Amino acid sequence: EIVMTQSPATLSVSPGERATLSCRASETIGTNVAWYQHKFGQAPRLLIYGASTRATGIAARFSAGGSGTEFTLTISSLQSEDFAVYYCQQHDDWSQVTFGQGTRLEMK
Amino acid sequence: QVQLQESGPGLVKPSQTLSLTCTVSGDSISKRDSYCSWIRQSAGKGLEWIGRIETAGSSSTNYNPSLQDRVTMSVDTSRKQFTLTLSSVTAADTAVYYCTRDLRVWVDWGRNLYYYYMDVWGKGTTVTVSS
Repeated sequence: EIVMTQSPATLSVSPGERATLSCRASETIGTNVAWYQHKFGQAPRLLIYGASTRATGIAARFSAGGSGTEFTLTISSLQSEDFAVYYCQQHDDWSQVTFGQGTRLEMK
Repeated sequence: QVQLQESGPGLVKPSQTLSLTCTVSGDSISKRDSYCSWIRQSAGKGLEWIGRIETAGSSSTNYNPSLQDRVTMSVDTSRKQFTLTLSSVTAADTAVYYCTRDLRVWVDWGRNLYYYYMDVWGKGTTVTVSS
C-alpha cells in the first residue's frame, strides 16, 4: 500500500495570506496525485489532478506541483471560503487508491 | 451535468449486510474509462477508499484490501445505478458513504500514463451500525 502523509495536520493562516500544504508518498508515484477540498457537511471537491492541473472551475489562486514523492498545494491569497480540510490522493497503484490523512486549514 | 445521489438505510444492525445505491442523473454511465468509486469517512477520520467498478465494458472491480472480503460492487446500466454491499458490519463501519464518478484520461497509452480523478461526488449518506 502506498501511504500518503500530509503535513501539517493543521495549518493556521490569516485571510489574504499564502498557505502551502505538503503531501509525501511512501514510494515514487510520478505525478499521479489529485487534491480535494472538503468542507464540513459537503461533498469533497476536486481541485487538482495530475499533480498540477487545476480542475474545471477552480480558481487560479490554487496551484500545485511536485513529482516522485513530494507534492505541494498552494493557495496564494486565502479567501474565507478556502478554510476547509484538504486531501491528497494517489492512484499510481491502480489496484488501491489511497488518501492522505488530511490537512485542516483554519483561520488564524 | 452529472449528479450522483446515494441512498440506503441509515441504520444497520451489527453482523448484518449494508447495501447502498448510487443513482446517476444527467449523463450516461456507460462511458469508456469511467468508473464509480465508493469512499467513506468515519467521524473524526479521513477519507477511505472502499473500491471502484468500471462503468462500461467488463464492469471490473478493485477493492481496498482491508475490506475486500466483505465488499461487493455492481452496476445496473439500465437503471443508471451502482450498488455497494458490505457484509458483517460492525460499529467500525459507521461512516458517511460517498459515491463518485471517476475518470481516467489517457495522456500516453503506450507508456501507461494517464490522469485519474474523482470529479463528481454525491452528497453522501450517513450509515450507523448499532443494535
